[in-house]
Amino acid sequence: GENVEQHPSTLSVQEGDSAVIKCTYSDSASNYFPWYKQELGKRPQLIIDIRSNVGEKKDQRIAVTLNKTAKHFSLHITETQPEDSAVYFCAATDSWGKFQFGAGTQVVVTP
Amino acid sequence: ETGVTQSPTHLIKTRGQQVTLRCSSQSGHNTVSWYQQALGQGPQFIFQYYREEENGRGNFPPRFSGLQFPNYSSELNVNALELDDSALYLCASSHDRGSYEQYFGPGTRLTVT
Repeated sequence: GENVEQHPSTLSVQEGDSAVIKCTYSDSASNYFPWYKQELGKRPQLIIDIRSNVGEKKDQRIAVTLNKTAKHFSLHITETQPEDSAVYFCAATDSWGKFQFGAGTQVVVTP
Repeated sequence: ETGVTQSPTHLIKTRGQQVTLRCSSQSGHNTVSWYQQALGQGPQFIFQYYREEENGRGNFPPRFSGLQFPNYSSELNVNALELDDSALYLCASSHDRGSYEQYFGPGTRLTVT
């Protein structure tokens, strides 16, 4: 089955700097890669996603890149702000929607 | 916030008991997935229901069972509770089985003592 590894487990950045989180997956049939943000005590919220036929997607300060050959994808957050502090999860899934999540990255943005 | 709701918010049970958790999908969504999220970990897929039928299952024992109703609301039942079942249980609904985007409910925090 699918296995998703996520790095780093914690990431501290200064406000205004960029943050990058990387995930690798094992199943070449995976074709959808969402990223979720989970604040303490709250539900995971979908922040951006990418499908296997696209190499990069951007939405304001966040972007995701996908390298299908190497089976890895990354989340990039630019101009980080204190409200970006949260746990971020990557996931990979095939066409019937069984998500395999990474272990999460705790992002701390310090003013 | 999404239109996905879950009840109850918190629950405390004793080892060996049974529990039922409930999920109401976002309007127009016919597919629901259930996840177990242990503290400090990512959500683990339990199973998915599509139009009242189980549509895939993760590595969870048979004492984890589910149900989806004609209005697409859903239940997760756990029998013979174990201490390791203590976790946040999340449901996520999606528009259709082939639709990728899943939207999570707020979760039910289950504590087994």
